[in-house]
Amino acid sequence: GNSVTQMEGPVTLSEEAFLTINCTYTATGYPSLFWYVQYPGEGLQLLLKATKADDKGSNKGFEATYRKETTSFHLEKGSVQVSDSAVYFCALRGKGGYSTLTFGKGTMLLVSP
Amino acid sequence: GAGVSQSPSNKVTEKGKDVELRCDPISGHTALYWYRQSLGQGLEFLIYFQGNSAPDKSGLPSDRFSAERTGGSVSTLTIQRTQQEDSAVYLCASSIRLAGGTDTQYFGPGTRLTVL
Repeated sequence: GNSVTQMEGPVTLSEEAFLTINCTYTATGYPSLFWYVQYPGEGLQLLLKATKADDKGSNKGFEATYRKETTSFHLEKGSVQVSDSAVYFCALRGKGGYSTLTFGKGTMLLVSP
Repeated sequence: GAGVSQSPSNKVTEKGKDVELRCDPISGHTALYWYRQSLGQGLEFLIYFQGNSAPDKSGLPSDRFSAERTGGSVSTLTIQRTQQEDSAVYLCASSIRLAGGTDTQYFGPGTRLTVL
């Protein structure tokens, strides 16, 4: 079956530091890959996505590249802000027909001034 | 409304009671999903609706859980005889089905259920 593995948190960084949150997946075929973010007290929001190998998703300074050879979709940001503090979820959806999202367990990011 | 709405936002109940959780999807979205977010468990898929039918109920943890959707819109998730392990945040998402399955799921704020 499909599965997603994320690095455990919390990840604690100072403002303007470089961020990487690792995500690897197991799936049959070629899934679509997503990063969702959950800010404190809010619902899940789609941050970025990539639907095929070598695609790069980007939004709000965050980037992730779909790497088929390493089955990875690591999230990066060059300079984090305090407002980026949230829980980040990596997810995949299989291709064809319909398919629900399979999520990782989430990684909490804490950014201090 | 513009987004997915869920009610109630918080529900505290006693063990053994039944609860109903409601989801109002984005207007025009034909697909609706329920997930559960538990501490230490991450997000688990529960059930998926396409229109009013549920082709995939594989995530429902037991026969105490059921869901329905009427009019291709509002959905209700019912948990009978609640147990403490049912305590979690229940999330609803909706999407507009696009060819090739490239739709994006939009999530509601969730209902936090606490079973005492």
